[in-house]
Amino acid sequence: QKEVEQNSGPLSVPEGAIASLNCTYSDRGSQSFFWYRQYSGKSPELIMFIYSNGDKEDGRFTAQLNKASQYVSLLIRDSQPSDSATYLCAVNEVYGNKLVFGAGTILRVKS
Amino acid sequence: EPEVTQTPSHQVTQMGQEVILRCVPISNHLYFYWYRQILGQKVEFLVSFYNNEISEKSEIFDDQFSVERPDGSNFTLKIRSTKLEDSAMYFCASSPDSPNQPQHFGDGTRLSIL
Repeated sequence: QKEVEQNSGPLSVPEGAIASLNCTYSDRGSQSFFWYRQYSGKSPELIMFIYSNGDKEDGRFTAQLNKASQYVSLLIRDSQPSDSATYLCAVNEVYGNKLVFGAGTILRVKS
Repeated sequence: EPEVTQTPSHQVTQMGQEVILRCVPISNHLYFYWYRQILGQKVEFLVSFYNNEISEKSEIFDDQFSVERPDGSNFTLKIRSTKLEDSAMYFCASSPDSPNQPQHFGDGTRLSIL
């Protein structure tokens, strides 16, 4: 059974700080990696995706991928109270037609 | 920005009844998916659909479930003889022309089985 693991949190950071969210995955051949934000009672909203080792930046968000360590992270700079949500890591399996989701990390940004 | 739309937003059904959840994927997308999320739990894959056939399904997707693309725009999930444990949020998603591309989710249908 392919697994995606995340620390459930909650991760609490002050407004303006950097939030660092981490994810590990078990399928070594996985090729595409996604971060979704989910507010309570709402659907997953795509934040970032990354395919290659290294960093990918989009505004305040940076996704980092290390395939050798099977590790994906999401950095949120200048965190805002509106960033408070559950962040879901999702991985597309090798030759797979599905996303495997982690349980999510709850982020709380305190003003 | 194009979006995935789902109807209804909330469905209440008696146990044992059939229910159909509807989705309109983004118009130029070719891959379609159903996921579910039981309250407080992970998002779980149910089924993927491409070129008018199921490309992959999970263990959850048993004979009780079926999917259909009845026309060029709609994508439906049917649950026959619903059970209490089918109560969950059901999300439809679509991706452009490869399963490795980002999947975009609809707002979901909350299914409550009484």
